[in-house]
Amino acid sequence: GAGVSQSPRYKVAKRGQDVALRCDPISGHVSLFWYQQALGQGPEFLTYFQNEAQLDKSGLPSDRFFAERPEGSVSTLKIQRTQQEDSAVYLCASSPIRWAGAGQPQHFGDGTRLSIL
Amino acid sequence: DQQVKQNSPSLSVQEGRISILNCDYTNSMFDYFLWYKKYPAEGPTFLISISSIKDKNEDGRFTVFLNKSAKHLSLHIVPSQPGDSAVYFCAATGAGGTSYGKLTFGQGTILTVHP
Repeated sequence: GAGVSQSPRYKVAKRGQDVALRCDPISGHVSLFWYQQALGQGPEFLTYFQNEAQLDKSGLPSDRFFAERPEGSVSTLKIQRTQQEDSAVYLCASSPIRWAGAGQPQHFGDGTRLSIL
Repeated sequence: DQQVKQNSPSLSVQEGRISILNCDYTNSMFDYFLWYKKYPAEGPTFLISISSIKDKNEDGRFTVFLNKSAKHLSLHIVPSQPGDSAVYFCAATGAGGTSYGKLTFGQGTILTVHP
């Protein structure tokens, strides 16, 4: 079990409910990213953690989205008061170093498919 | 503002032939490019990458070509195999600064390799 693990795999929620999505990165990986993938589109960046520090949250669509990684390993993406446009696959990725440009690609989990009714 | 574009939504190729997937980008700050492969209900899997200091990188059946002046890259798969059938995403990042290595993805190209 050396890969990035995400749970739950599927989540159905009613509009207005809060949801929490979990990501277990590869052990020892410094960098952790969250992406949102809408149907038929490529993943879009949401936020980035280096260890426990959230260094970039420029991609979060609104203040209803909140992410944390308190101990520098497991991360949680929380969406409050969900809306239908939040329906998407949420992907988590990790890499062992600070950024991928140095030759280390990001390793992705299988994602959480979120459906808001 | 789509900074990375894959203009072909789909590509169909006969087994044994070459598959060529194309990608264009607009941001001149991008200097590292990656291709990911994705099967249904799975996360993207890294395939091959190229730094902007190179114009070609090869790994087995996969070769990526980069034309910086045209802001264009392509992925060649030869020979194509039915197991290569998947969605292929082109991604780009700028190393350093405040990019943190975050990836900007294209929309993807569905490759179907027929036996």
